[in-house]
Amino acid sequence: RKEVEQDPGPFNVPEGATVAFNCTYSNSASQSFFWYRQDCRKEPKLLMSVYSSGNEDGRFTAQLNRASQYISLLIRDSKLSDSATYLCVVSGGYNKLIFGAGTRLAVHP
Amino acid sequence: EAGVAQSPRYKIIEKRQSVAFWCNPISGHATLYWYQQILGQGPKLLIQFQNNGVVDDSQLPKDRFSAERLKGVDSTLKIQPAKLEDSAVYLCASSPRRGGTQYFGPGTRLTVT
Repeated sequence: RKEVEQDPGPFNVPEGATVAFNCTYSNSASQSFFWYRQDCRKEPKLLMSVYSSGNEDGRFTAQLNRASQYISLLIRDSKLSDSATYLCVVSGGYNKLIFGAGTRLAVHP
Repeated sequence: EAGVAQSPRYKIIEKRQSVAFWCNPISGHATLYWYQQILGQGPKLLIQFQNNGVVDDSQLPKDRFSAERLKGVDSTLKIQPAKLEDSAVYLCASSPRRGGTQYFGPGTRLTVT
């Protein structure tokens, strides 16, 4: 079983749509959780951290369910510029980051 | 503030050849990471440095890969000899401290033929 699992997609949505991604992780001892965004042929960039109580940053909402060991990302009012791969990231030993394979999002006009 | 610098950006070599990548982290960042990202996969940590010491190299194929950060600033990653399956993007990241936000460089795209 992979340490971090994501649906690879792609998710093809029209502008203005709401889209949600889920991610599951295997290590119940993980303490920190993140969503990173990676544009085609670019480096990953931190989108947002995920807190136990859930958190929101503009059109983006992240949720954590420790009991079920899953993390979600909700994007409201999708923009063309949201097209990218979204990487679910979980901390492991030595504070290292363990990345999922990513979920591709394509927003079309 | 300057970001993480990496060079070269692209490299094509034949299998069994050697190659080296260089990374200069953000100034003042104590923690440096090397990742390997194979097409269609997420980045996989190869090695983590805290200043000039190795914190975690459990996923580094030590028979062919080596890395150093001698003065606790810039770092080099070497592959010797390269195999076809080493074709990937090698990403360097730095963080002000262990567990802090990681900032990635643009990566080096390696193709082994």
